[in-house]
Amino acid sequence: DGGITQSPKYLFRKEGQNVTLSCEQNLNHDAMYWYRQDPGQGLRLIYYSQIVNDFQKGDIAEGYSVSREKKESFPLTVTSAQKNPTAFYLCASSISQGWGYEQYFGPGTRLTVT
Amino acid sequence: SQQGEEDPQALSIQEGENATMNCSYKTSINNLQWYRQNSGRGLVHLILIRSNEREKHSGRLRVTLDTSKKSSSLLITASRAADTASYFCATDAEYTDKLIFGTGTRLQVFP
Repeated sequence: DGGITQSPKYLFRKEGQNVTLSCEQNLNHDAMYWYRQDPGQGLRLIYYSQIVNDFQKGDIAEGYSVSREKKESFPLTVTSAQKNPTAFYLCASSISQGWGYEQYFGPGTRLTVT
Repeated sequence: SQQGEEDPQALSIQEGENATMNCSYKTSINNLQWYRQNSGRGLVHLILIRSNEREKHSGRLRVTLDTSKKSSSLLITASRAADTASYFCATDAEYTDKLIFGTGTRLQVFP
């Protein structure tokens, strides 16, 4: 089956710890995205990547970091610098970046930091 | 600032009724997309309408776009309990290269 996988589904961390969220896709998509969703809110873009070894900051990149060493993988690290990291994190991909392309989403990772 | 704003924020209807939700945006767009999100899950793409299109259909979904009013509507006909979800519009404004999502409409369909 083609699709996007995110792991784990639920993640719990203590304040001050870095944590890495996994995102893998086998759709052969060039573009990948990370979004954050807070309760009752829409999605906010954290980082996006159009090609391997290249990525750009989205609207709320502070306290987060990413890498894109392989086309299939786009892990997100939530660092201790992120002041309010508890949220639902969604990874997505599209054939190409930019307008006109639908995005395919993974099932999400719910991160709780205490 | 948010590009897309959905209205209403929440909508409750009975099975079989039609559900209409609206999306307004602020700047010129290339296209507008609608997504569905079941509780605690990822988003699923429903339909994309380009700025030069006025109406598009997909099964029980009908989307309209009025670029002069900077608004779009999503109509779900003959709703089912399985349509219960949040619905988001997403726009890619001209001169940008990313989607901007609205805050969503929560639809509850009672059997």
